Amino acid sequence: RKEVEQDPGPFNVPEGATVAFNCTYSNSASQSFFWYRQDCRKEPKLLMSVYSSGNEDGRFTAQLNRASQYISLLIRDSKLSDSATYLCVKLSGTYKYIFGTGTRLKVLA
Amino acid sequence: ETGVTQSPTHLIKTRGQQVTLRCSSQSGHNTVSWYQQALGQGPQFIFQYYREEENGRGNFPPRFSGLQFPNYSSELNVNALELDDSALYLCASSYVTGELFFGEGSRLTVL
Repeated sequence: RKEVEQDPGPFNVPEGATVAFNCTYSNSASQSFFWYRQDCRKEPKLLMSVYSSGNEDGRFTAQLNRASQYISLLIRDSKLSDSATYLCVKLSGTYKYIFGTGTRLKVLA
Repeated sequence: ETGVTQSPTHLIKTRGQQVTLRCSSQSGHNTVSWYQQALGQGPQFIFQYYREEENGRGNFPPRFSGLQFPNYSSELNVNALELDDSALYLCASSYVTGELFFGEGSRLTVL
């Protein structure tokens, strides 16, 4: 089983829609989790860190559920510019970032 | 502030050859990590360098090796190239275990 698993999608949603991605992980010792965004043929960039208490950054909300070992990303009022691949990431130990395969989102006009 | 830069951006090699990829870390960052990203996959951790020493390694064979220099720049070397080595190679710099800042990557094609 992979340490970080994501539905690859693609998720095709209309502009203005709300969309949610989940990511499951194994090895409950992991302490830190992140969402990265990767545009087509570009490098990944940090979208947000994920905390147990949940955190929000504008239209984006991230949540961590340690009991069920999953993290989520909610995007409200989707924009065309949100079209990208969203990578779920956990920090294993002190240096090894483990990435999921990514979930592709396409926001349609 | 200078970001992470990688070279070359694209290259084509044949099986059995050797390749060296280069990375200049972001100003103020002392840690460099290398990742391999195959098409349709997430980045896979190769290794990390901190203060010129390998600090950790993923599940990659010894023919993948690296260096970090006193100015924190880094090289990734791959010997005896195989077809499956075709991928985007990403360098990421950070300050210890802080946020990873990625370069645009080196796209390697092995024929």
